[in-house]
Amino acid sequence: QVQLQQWGAGLLKPSETLSLTCAVYGGSFSGYYWSWIRQPPGKGLEWIGEINHSGSTNYNPSLKSRVTISVDTSKNQFSLKLSSVTAADTAVYYCARAPPDSWNDERRDAFDIWGQGTMVTVSS
Amino acid sequence: DIVMTQSPDSLAVSLGERATINCKSSQSVLYSSNNKNYLAWYQQKPGQPPKLLIYWASTRESGVPDRFSGSGSGTDFTLTISSLQAEDVAVYYCQQYYSTRFTFGQGTRLEIK
Repeated sequence: QVQLQQWGAGLLKPSETLSLTCAVYGGSFSGYYWSWIRQPPGKGLEWIGEINHSGSTNYNPSLKSRVTISVDTSKNQFSLKLSSVTAADTAVYYCARAPPDSWNDERRDAFDIWGQGTMVTVSS
Repeated sequence: DIVMTQSPDSLAVSLGERATINCKSSQSVLYSSNNKNYLAWYQQKPGQPPKLLIYWASTRESGVPDRFSGSGSGTDFTLTISSLQAEDVAVYYCQQYYSTRFTFGQGTRLEIK
Protein backbone atom coordinates (compact mmCIF):
# COMPACT_ATOMS: atom_id res chain seq x y z
CA GLN A 1 0.00 0.00 0.00
CA VAL A 2 1.52 3.26 -1.12
CA GLN A 3 1.97 5.92 1.56
CA LEU A 4 3.27 9.46 1.38
CA GLN A 5 5.07 10.81 4.44
CA GLN A 6 5.98 14.47 4.52
CA TRP A 7 7.98 16.68 6.82
CA GLY A 8 9.51 20.14 7.10
CA ALA A 9 9.75 23.28 9.17
CA GLY A 10 6.42 24.45 10.54
CA LEU A 11 7.21 28.01 11.60
CA LEU A 12 8.87 30.57 9.38
CA LYS A 13 9.50 34.30 9.46
CA PRO A 14 8.54 36.55 6.54
CA SER A 15 11.06 36.49 3.69
CA GLU A 16 12.38 33.03 4.65
CA THR A 17 12.21 29.97 2.41
CA LEU A 18 9.71 27.20 3.05
CA SER A 19 11.17 23.73 2.62
CA LEU A 20 9.19 20.48 2.70
CA THR A 21 9.97 16.91 1.66
CA CYS A 22 7.65 14.02 0.81
CA ALA A 23 8.76 10.39 0.79
CA VAL A 24 6.99 7.63 -1.12
CA TYR A 25 6.78 4.24 0.59
CA GLY A 26 5.39 0.94 -0.57
CA GLY A 27 5.10 1.57 -4.27
CA SER A 28 6.64 2.73 -7.49
CA PHE A 29 8.07 6.22 -7.74
CA SER A 30 8.63 6.31 -11.46
CA GLY A 31 5.74 6.64 -13.83
CA TYR A 32 3.76 8.98 -11.63
CA TYR A 33 3.42 12.73 -11.16
CA TRP A 34 4.05 14.12 -7.70
CA SER A 35 2.37 17.33 -6.62
CA TRP A 36 2.29 19.85 -3.83
CA ILE A 37 -1.08 21.32 -2.88
CA ARG A 38 -1.83 23.80 -0.11
CA GLN A 39 -4.84 24.83 1.96
CA PRO A 40 -4.93 28.07 3.97
CA PRO A 41 -6.76 27.77 7.29
CA GLY A 42 -10.48 27.43 6.70
CA LYS A 43 -10.09 27.79 2.94
CA GLY A 44 -9.95 25.69 -0.20
CA LEU A 45 -7.25 23.82 -2.06
CA GLU A 46 -4.60 25.38 -4.29
CA TRP A 47 -2.32 23.33 -6.51
CA ILE A 48 1.30 24.52 -6.32
CA GLY A 49 3.17 22.37 -8.80
CA GLU A 50 4.28 18.89 -9.82
CA ILE A 51 7.31 16.86 -10.83
CA ASN A 52 7.85 13.46 -12.37
CA HIS A 53 10.62 10.96 -11.74
CA SER A 54 12.77 12.39 -14.51
CA GLY A 55 12.61 15.85 -12.96
CA SER A 56 10.21 17.50 -15.39
CA THR A 57 8.27 20.19 -13.55
CA ASN A 58 5.00 22.07 -14.00
CA TYR A 59 4.15 25.01 -11.75
CA ASN A 60 1.10 27.09 -10.95
CA PRO A 61 1.79 30.37 -12.77
CA SER A 62 0.64 32.35 -9.74
CA LEU A 63 3.50 30.91 -7.67
CA LYS A 64 6.03 30.01 -10.33
CA SER A 65 8.49 32.80 -9.56
CA ARG A 66 8.94 31.55 -5.99
CA VAL A 67 8.57 27.76 -6.32
CA THR A 68 11.12 25.05 -6.89
CA ILE A 69 10.16 21.36 -6.84
CA SER A 70 12.94 18.81 -7.02
CA VAL A 71 13.23 15.03 -6.92
CA ASP A 72 15.63 12.51 -5.42
CA THR A 73 14.88 9.21 -7.12
CA SER A 74 17.51 7.37 -5.05
CA LYS A 75 15.39 8.02 -1.96
CA ASN A 76 11.94 8.07 -3.61
CA GLN A 77 11.49 11.62 -2.37
CA PHE A 78 10.47 14.95 -3.78
CA SER A 79 10.75 18.38 -2.23
CA LEU A 80 9.18 21.82 -2.28
CA LYS A 81 10.90 25.13 -1.78
CA LEU A 82 8.91 28.35 -1.67
CA SER A 83 10.95 31.50 -1.32
CA SER A 84 10.19 34.90 0.19
CA VAL A 85 7.23 33.67 2.20
CA THR A 86 4.64 36.01 3.69
CA ALA A 87 1.67 35.49 5.98
CA ALA A 88 -0.38 34.67 2.88
CA ASP A 89 1.65 31.47 2.54
CA THR A 90 0.39 30.19 5.89
CA ALA A 91 -1.36 26.93 5.08
CA VAL A 92 -1.43 23.18 5.40
CA TYR A 93 0.78 21.81 2.64
CA TYR A 94 0.03 18.40 1.15
CA CYS A 95 1.97 16.18 -1.17
CA ALA A 96 -0.08 14.02 -3.54
CA ARG A 97 0.25 11.49 -6.34
CA ALA A 98 -1.35 11.59 -9.77
CA PRO A 99 -1.08 8.63 -12.12
CA PRO A 100 -0.47 9.40 -15.78
CA ASP A 101 -3.49 9.44 -18.06
CA SER A 102 -3.42 6.18 -19.99
CA TRP A 103 -5.12 7.92 -22.92
CA ASN A 104 -2.89 10.94 -23.26
CA ASP A 105 0.69 11.48 -22.14
CA GLU A 106 0.02 15.19 -21.70
CA ARG A 107 -2.62 14.65 -19.06
CA ARG A 108 -2.91 13.08 -15.60
CA ASP A 109 -5.47 11.15 -13.60
CA ALA A 110 -6.89 12.49 -10.35
CA PHE A 111 -4.87 12.79 -7.14
CA ASP A 112 -5.33 9.35 -5.66
CA ILE A 113 -2.95 9.34 -2.71
CA TRP A 114 -2.19 12.22 -0.35
CA GLY A 115 0.29 12.87 2.42
CA GLN A 116 -0.85 13.66 5.93
CA GLY A 117 -0.28 17.39 5.57
CA THR A 118 2.16 19.81 7.22
CA MET A 119 0.98 23.04 8.81
CA VAL A 120 3.29 25.91 7.92
CA THR A 121 2.86 29.21 9.71
CA VAL A 122 4.57 32.41 8.61
CA SER A 123 4.78 34.94 11.40
CA SER A 124 7.23 37.53 12.62
CA ASP B 1 -7.21 28.78 -15.76
CA ILE B 2 -10.37 26.68 -15.58
CA VAL B 3 -12.51 28.05 -12.75
CA MET B 4 -14.51 25.53 -10.77
CA THR B 5 -17.62 26.81 -8.97
CA GLN B 6 -19.54 24.67 -6.50
CA SER B 7 -23.04 25.12 -5.17
CA PRO B 8 -24.21 25.40 -2.53
CA ASP B 9 -21.40 26.53 -0.24
CA SER B 10 -23.02 24.61 2.61
CA LEU B 11 -25.76 22.06 2.89
CA ALA B 12 -27.67 20.47 5.78
CA VAL B 13 -29.42 17.17 5.13
CA SER B 14 -31.24 14.76 7.42
CA LEU B 15 -29.80 11.32 8.05
CA GLY B 16 -30.98 8.88 5.40
CA GLU B 17 -31.90 11.65 2.97
CA ARG B 18 -30.27 12.52 -0.35
CA ALA B 19 -27.54 15.13 -0.61
CA THR B 20 -26.68 16.79 -3.91
CA ILE B 21 -23.68 18.99 -4.61
CA ASN B 22 -23.12 20.77 -7.90
CA CYS B 23 -19.95 21.78 -9.68
CA LYS B 24 -19.61 23.93 -12.77
CA SER B 25 -16.45 24.47 -14.79
CA SER B 26 -15.71 27.63 -16.75
CA GLN B 27 -14.91 25.53 -19.80
CA SER B 28 -15.60 21.99 -20.85
CA VAL B 29 -13.49 19.27 -19.20
CA LEU B 30 -14.66 16.63 -21.68
CA TYR B 31 -11.81 15.34 -23.83
CA SER B 32 -13.32 14.42 -27.17
CA SER B 33 -10.66 11.87 -28.10
CA ASN B 34 -11.66 9.47 -25.32
CA ASN B 35 -15.07 10.90 -24.33
CA LYS B 36 -13.93 11.22 -20.72
CA ASN B 37 -14.66 14.06 -18.33
CA TYR B 38 -11.54 15.03 -16.40
CA LEU B 39 -13.43 15.76 -13.20
CA ALA B 40 -12.89 14.36 -9.70
CA TRP B 41 -14.64 14.64 -6.36
CA TYR B 42 -12.89 14.59 -2.98
CA GLN B 43 -14.11 14.31 0.59
CA GLN B 44 -12.21 16.07 3.36
CA LYS B 45 -12.90 15.52 7.04
CA PRO B 46 -11.46 17.82 9.73
CA GLY B 47 -7.75 17.38 10.26
CA GLN B 48 -7.43 14.94 7.36
CA PRO B 49 -6.18 15.21 3.78
CA PRO B 50 -8.71 15.06 0.97
CA LYS B 51 -9.80 11.58 -0.07
CA LEU B 52 -10.55 10.73 -3.69
CA LEU B 53 -14.16 9.59 -4.07
CA ILE B 54 -14.97 9.85 -7.77
CA TYR B 55 -12.88 10.24 -10.92
CA TRP B 56 -13.75 10.54 -14.61
CA ALA B 57 -16.85 12.31 -13.23
CA SER B 58 -18.65 9.08 -12.40
CA THR B 59 -16.20 6.28 -11.50
CA ARG B 60 -16.05 5.46 -7.81
CA GLU B 61 -12.61 4.94 -6.29
CA SER B 62 -12.05 1.50 -4.84
CA GLY B 63 -13.59 1.16 -1.39
CA VAL B 64 -15.96 4.12 -1.71
CA PRO B 65 -19.51 3.20 -0.67
CA ASP B 66 -22.01 2.95 -3.50
CA ARG B 67 -24.21 5.61 -1.91
CA PHE B 68 -21.76 8.07 -3.50
CA SER B 69 -22.30 8.70 -7.20
CA GLY B 70 -21.15 11.26 -9.72
CA SER B 71 -22.82 12.44 -12.89
CA GLY B 72 -22.64 15.14 -15.52
CA SER B 73 -20.61 16.02 -18.57
CA GLY B 74 -18.93 18.97 -20.22
CA THR B 75 -19.25 21.80 -17.72
CA ASP B 76 -21.92 20.68 -15.24
CA PHE B 77 -21.42 17.95 -12.69
CA THR B 78 -23.16 16.56 -9.61
CA LEU B 79 -22.09 14.53 -6.61
CA THR B 80 -24.97 12.67 -4.99
CA ILE B 81 -25.05 10.87 -1.67
CA SER B 82 -28.15 8.73 -1.86
CA SER B 83 -28.71 8.16 1.85
CA LEU B 84 -26.70 10.41 4.15
CA GLN B 85 -24.79 8.73 6.97
CA ALA B 86 -23.27 10.47 9.97
CA GLU B 87 -19.76 9.69 8.73
CA ASP B 88 -20.43 11.65 5.52
CA VAL B 89 -20.18 14.98 7.35
CA ALA B 90 -17.27 16.65 5.57
CA VAL B 91 -16.29 19.25 3.02
CA TYR B 92 -16.52 18.10 -0.58
CA TYR B 93 -14.41 19.46 -3.43
CA CYS B 94 -14.57 19.03 -7.17
CA GLN B 95 -11.37 19.28 -9.22
CA GLN B 96 -10.60 19.43 -12.91
CA TYR B 97 -7.59 17.65 -14.34
CA TYR B 98 -8.36 18.42 -18.00
CA SER B 99 -5.78 21.17 -17.82
CA THR B 100 -2.48 20.57 -16.09
CA ARG B 101 -3.10 23.82 -14.27
CA PHE B 102 -5.17 21.82 -11.82
CA THR B 103 -7.95 23.71 -10.08
CA PHE B 104 -10.45 22.95 -7.35
CA GLY B 105 -13.89 24.21 -6.47
CA GLN B 106 -14.23 26.29 -3.31
CA GLY B 107 -15.76 23.40 -1.39
CA THR B 108 -19.21 22.50 -0.07
CA ARG B 109 -19.68 21.88 3.64
CA LEU B 110 -22.13 19.06 4.32
CA GLU B 111 -23.77 18.82 7.73
CA ILE B 112 -26.53 16.86 9.39
CA LYS B 113 -29.88 18.60 9.76
